Amino acid sequence: DTAVSQTPKYLVTQMGNDKSIKCEQNLGHDTMYWYKQDSKKFLKIMFSYNNKELIINETVPNRFSPKSPDKAHLNLHINSLELGDSAVYFCASRGAAGGLYNEQFFGPGTRLTVL
Amino acid sequence: GDSVTQMEGPVTLSEEAFLTINCTYTATGYPSLFWYVQYPGEGLQLLLKATKADDKGSNKGFEATYRKETTSFHLEKGSVQVSDSAVYFCALIHQGGSEKLVFGKGTKLTVNP
Repeated sequence: DTAVSQTPKYLVTQMGNDKSIKCEQNLGHDTMYWYKQDSKKFLKIMFSYNNKELIINETVPNRFSPKSPDKAHLNLHINSLELGDSAVYFCASRGAAGGLYNEQFFGPGTRLTVL
Repeated sequence: GDSVTQMEGPVTLSEEAFLTINCTYTATGYPSLFWYVQYPGEGLQLLLKATKADDKGSNKGFEATYRKETTSFHLEKGSVQVSDSAVYFCALIHQGGSEKLVFGKGTKLTVNP
């Protein structure tokens, strides 16, 4: 069983389109994240949700809108896609906050290519 | 703000060579420190962690020691294998804070037979 899954694995689309990436975790975790990895492999957090509530929103364009229908899912919707949005997007999840052990479990990534 | 600095890659080694990947951090307080590994075409996996000063994390022959005095968490392995070829990320997180991982830029390791 995959702990953190993402769909699709690959997404190729034209500039200006709107697309969504889905993420699901079956670990019973409370917190989920979206990270962006650019072409140089640099990873940066975009959003974090805890029990469906937004808790981290880095300086991400408002074309990016996360949605959490329940605590096991965190989807990422992107409007008006731009060339610079091409990257690998990783979803991650983590158990209850406040503990010493803060491991985040990552999904396999979604490679987005904007043409 | 918090930051993590890793040695620039890529690093190319022969099998059974000794590996060191340097990592230093800047942070207030006492963050937890991690090494994540990303194998080709895959997501990130936690390799090892340390939550307080002088802790040593270890896994699969890799080790790293949390050095508060030098704000470092260098990754080492005594004898690398071809299967260790991957990108390695050093990261930190504040406990009880924003709970976001701050990553270094990653170091690509290639091990040749």
